[in-house]
Amino acid sequence: AQSVSQHNHHVILSEAASLELGCNYSYGGTVNLFWYVQYPGQHLQLLLKYFSGDPLVKGIKGFEAEFIKSKFSFNLRKPSVQWSDTAEYFCAVSGGGSYIPTFGRGTSLIVHP
Amino acid sequence: SAVISQKPSRDICQRGTSLTIQCQVDSQVTMMFWYRQQPGQSLTLIATANQGSEATYESGFVIDKFPISRPNLTFSTLTVSNMSPEDSSIYLCSVGSGTGPTGELFFGEGSRLTVL
Repeated sequence: AQSVSQHNHHVILSEAASLELGCNYSYGGTVNLFWYVQYPGQHLQLLLKYFSGDPLVKGIKGFEAEFIKSKFSFNLRKPSVQWSDTAEYFCAVSGGGSYIPTFGRGTSLIVHP
Repeated sequence: SAVISQKPSRDICQRGTSLTIQCQVDSQVTMMFWYRQQPGQSLTLIATANQGSEATYESGFVIDKFPISRPNLTFSTLTVSNMSPEDSSIYLCSVGSGTGPTGELFFGEGSRLTVL
């Protein structure tokens, strides 16, 4: 079965710091990759996605993620975080004959103003 | 995108009782998914609800505990039966994007359930 690992469970940063959240998955075939975000009191929403093509994907609010197939990774990055980026971030992967995504445990990001 | 409404948004229940969560989508969808989000854990798929057929349950989840109805293409319910404190969680309804089965999902705001 597919598994998704997010290495950072809790991250605390100051505004303007750079962010990188790790995500690794286990399936070796063709995959679709996602990062979802859940702001406090709001529903889960898509931050960015990768299906094919350029492995560097740009999403909303200045986030980007890079798909490195050889490392089975899809890390999320932002060069300068803001207080409003405080949220829970989930990596998700679909593939292996199933289009239903498997989610990682999530990373809680707190950004201090 | 799809707009998904869930009711109740939160509830506190007594051990041994059952609670039904409703999910309404603003467009017709073939499949609806029910997830559980436990504190500090990943989202776990409970079951896939298809209109006109029995729901498909994931390993570790059974129909007697989590009966699901899907009477039409815009509505589904999930019942958490004979609740125990271990069932305290957020239950999420979701649907796929309209662009095909890619794994991209839209979520409701969730139903936060606390069992005493």
